[in-house]
Amino acid sequence: GNSVTQMEGPVTLSEEAFLTINCTYTATGYPSLFWYVQYPGEGLQLLLKATKADDKGSNKGFEATYRKETTSFHLEKGSVQVSDSAVYFCALSAQADSWGKLQFGAGTQVVVTP
Amino acid sequence: KAGVTQTPRYLIKTRGQQVTLSCSPISGHRSVSWYQQTPGQGLQFLFEYFSETQRNKGNFPGRFSGRQFSNSRSEMNVSTLELGDSALYLCASSTKRQGNTEAFFGQGTRLTVV
Repeated sequence: GNSVTQMEGPVTLSEEAFLTINCTYTATGYPSLFWYVQYPGEGLQLLLKATKADDKGSNKGFEATYRKETTSFHLEKGSVQVSDSAVYFCALSAQADSWGKLQFGAGTQVVVTP
Repeated sequence: KAGVTQTPRYLIKTRGQQVTLSCSPISGHRSVSWYQQTPGQGLQFLFEYFSETQRNKGNFPGRFSGRQFSNSRSEMNVSTLELGDSALYLCASSTKRQGNTEAFFGQGTRLTVV
């Protein structure tokens, strides 16, 4: 079956540091890949997405590139802020007859200190 | 454009009771999916409704059910509540744009079973 594996947290960084969160996936076919962010007490917000190999999704300084050869979709940000403290989820959508069925990773908590 | 609205935000119920959660999707979105989020199991897919029909179902017992109305609003029902049903229940409203799907989440309903 489909699965998503992401690095365990918490990841603790100082403000302005470089952030990488690793995400690898297993899926049949050509899934779409997503990063969602969850702030405390909130639901999930779509951060970025990529729908085919070599696509780069980007938003709010975050980037991720769909790498089919390594089945990866690592999230990066060059200079984090305290406001980036949240839990980040990597997810995939691989079912042709579904618009809303996502397979999520376990989530990675990021803590940014001033 | 209004986002996904889930009501209520918080709920406390007693073991053995039943509960109904509501989700109003983004206008024009025909797909509504439900997820359960717990610290131990992470984000798990419950089911998806599309144009009033359930078209995907996760691995949950029959105590968990749902429905979708003609205006795309959806309800989720859990009967005979157990302590383990305590969780954040998230609703996702999905659409397809340019051949690619996107799912947008509500803020969730926090259910506590005592």
